[in-house]
Amino acid sequence: DTAVSQTPKYLVTQMGNDKSIKCEQNLGHDTMYWYKQDSKKFLKIMFSYNNKELIINETVPNRFSPKSPDKAHLNLHINSLELGDSAVYFCASSASSGSYNEQFFGPGTRLTVL
Amino acid sequence: QKEVEQNSGPLSVPEGAIASLNCTYSDRVSQSFFWYRQYSGKSPELIMSIYSNGDKEDGRFTAQLNKASQYVSLLIRDSQPSDSATYLCAVNMLQGGKLIFGQGTELSVKP
Repeated sequence: DTAVSQTPKYLVTQMGNDKSIKCEQNLGHDTMYWYKQDSKKFLKIMFSYNNKELIINETVPNRFSPKSPDKAHLNLHINSLELGDSAVYFCASSASSGSYNEQFFGPGTRLTVL
Repeated sequence: QKEVEQNSGPLSVPEGAIASLNCTYSDRVSQSFFWYRQYSGKSPELIMSIYSNGDKEDGRFTAQLNKASQYVSLLIRDSQPSDSATYLCAVNMLQGGKLIFGQGTELSVKP
């Protein structure tokens, strides 16, 4: 059974559109994350939620808005998509938000903005 | 200075050899360190975590941590072609589980 799942796997859209990516984990973890991996494969954290509360909010444009309806789900909504938003977005989860918690990644969503 | 630095490679080793991957980090208060393996087109997969100075072994993998030198490494013994991937070093920056990743080292194991 998949531990961290994301939908969709691929997303191709036009500039200016609004899109959402969904993430679910069945590990019973309290903390979930969104990461962005750019074309140079650099992986950078965007947001983190601990038990539905936002705890990390990196310097990300306001067009990106995460939402956590419960601790097993974390969604990412992106408004007014731009070419530079093209990347692979990974969701991850960990047991809690402490320093020693291992993070487990979902399969990723490849977003292409045309 | 980047917060977490790795040699981008590619690092090429023959099958059966030891592959040595290195990582340095800038924040002295960092307490936990992770190695992820990422195959092309796939997601990062956790292979090792290390929290204390010294060595930690798991099968063919050994992670080494030296906090005084702000250095963490990963050794892969008896390298196999299936080990060919990008290896990402990640350091926990204490803030809510925030992981900072290096740029990754591409490893190629030649048969």
